Amino acid sequence: EADIYQTPRYLVIGTGKKITLECSQTMGHDKMYWYQQDPGMELHLIHYSYGVNSTEKGDLSSESTVSRIRTEHFPLTLESARPSHTSQYLCASSKGSRASGRNEKLFFGSGTQLSVL
Amino acid sequence: AQKITQTQPGMFVQEKEAVTLDCTYDTSDQSYGLFWYKQPSSGEMIFLIYQGSYDEQNATEGRYSLNFQKARKSANLVISASQLGDSAMYFCAMRERNAGGTSYGKLTFGQGTILTVHP
Repeated sequence: EADIYQTPRYLVIGTGKKITLECSQTMGHDKMYWYQQDPGMELHLIHYSYGVNSTEKGDLSSESTVSRIRTEHFPLTLESARPSHTSQYLCASSKGSRASGRNEKLFFGSGTQLSVL
Repeated sequence: AQKITQTQPGMFVQEKEAVTLDCTYDTSDQSYGLFWYKQPSSGEMIFLIYQGSYDEQNATEGRYSLNFQKARKSANLVISASQLGDSAMYFCAMRERNAGGTSYGKLTFGQGTILTVHP
């Protein structure tokens, strides 16, 4: 059912490197989100977007940045990776402002497991 | 601010038996939505069930049902006839609305409950 894709699935990288986590969806959803999740823990919202050229910071402070130049694409960038950035990053999308109730459910990608050495 | 609490870090159930996963929430909104997601060890998030704050009946989706007690602010997930494939992490989540009453769409998640189904 979900047509939202994240790459890479796993990434091991050294401290100080710049990285970009890719997220794309083919459902035409206006809203997109990035969540961060440590192993066995809850998800924390770090970025969200309501449409092209719209981005907002989430509840959890993050050194990452995002962009939304196209509806289907919502990449996340870390300019200088650190070991504290090691985590799983989950991208999600949902329908636009006309959606309500059950239709506001989030569709998630498979996640990117990032390890910074 | 809204808050979701799942007080059971881990639960065990025998195959074919029913199990209830607890979720309580805190909100001052009159209109809100509650979601349950399943996260297997592979890491993806799978939508299970939704309950709206104005829904008069408890939601059901196959073997999943939601025991919604609005006055107690609880939205417990009931899984009937547990299967080995139900072993996973389960998250309760709530959808926020802004001051104007329109939905942000963002979900706030609880801490999760790890369910283990024994054969």
